Amino acid sequence: DTGVSQDPRHKITKRGQNVTFRCDPISEHNRLYWYRQTLGQGPEFLTYFQNEAQLEKSRLLSDRFSAERPKGSFSTLEIQRTEQGDSAMYLCASSSLAGGDTQYFGPGTRLTVL
Amino acid sequence: AQSVAQPEDQVNVAEGNPLTVKCTYSVSGNPYLFWYVQYPNRGLQFLLKYITGDNLVKGSYGFEAEFNKSQTSFHLKKPSALVSDSALYFCAVRDWGSSASKIIFGSGTRLSIRP
Repeated sequence: DTGVSQDPRHKITKRGQNVTFRCDPISEHNRLYWYRQTLGQGPEFLTYFQNEAQLEKSRLLSDRFSAERPKGSFSTLEIQRTEQGDSAMYLCASSSLAGGDTQYFGPGTRLTVL
Repeated sequence: AQSVAQPEDQVNVAEGNPLTVKCTYSVSGNPYLFWYVQYPNRGLQFLLKYITGDNLVKGSYGFEAEFNKSQTSFHLKKPSALVSDSALYFCAVRDWGSSASKIIFGSGTRLSIRP
């Protein structure tokens, strides 16, 4: 399978705990995005990487959220001191200019904060 | 600011009939428009996009979309619906106000095809 992969697919945690999600983009894609989707809504942009550089962050990304993309390959999204309002589907997408910059999405990680 | 609107929360169609899922857009630059589909507990799958050229864009699974500049619309269509087309459909637009190629999604339209 050469698509975008995300791990874990589901995460249940207690309020106040830290969680980390991983995204592996399509191998030749240098652009990587994180989005958050709550029930009944479309995905909302969180952050963007071009290679290893984080070039843009949304206002939605509070100080408790941090994302990294070491070496410009996989990316991690960490949420510290989780709150019930963080419960959502976290989606990762990747793209490349050579591929027309179309974003291809992974299956998502569903986070439930109890 | 860029935005898209999907005026219908739900569309119900009988199998074999044509379907249309509506989308209107508002952009400050050239409209780069997309349609994605989401099946239950799955990520989004790319269907098609409009950047420039022909107003009728053909995509995956027999879907097509018609770009109409005067009506600022980008409706998704299929001549003959299948039960397997039942899913959540999102229209999206590229945000030109951003250094990233991020896209802004509509709220989604749930398409239900009855046998």
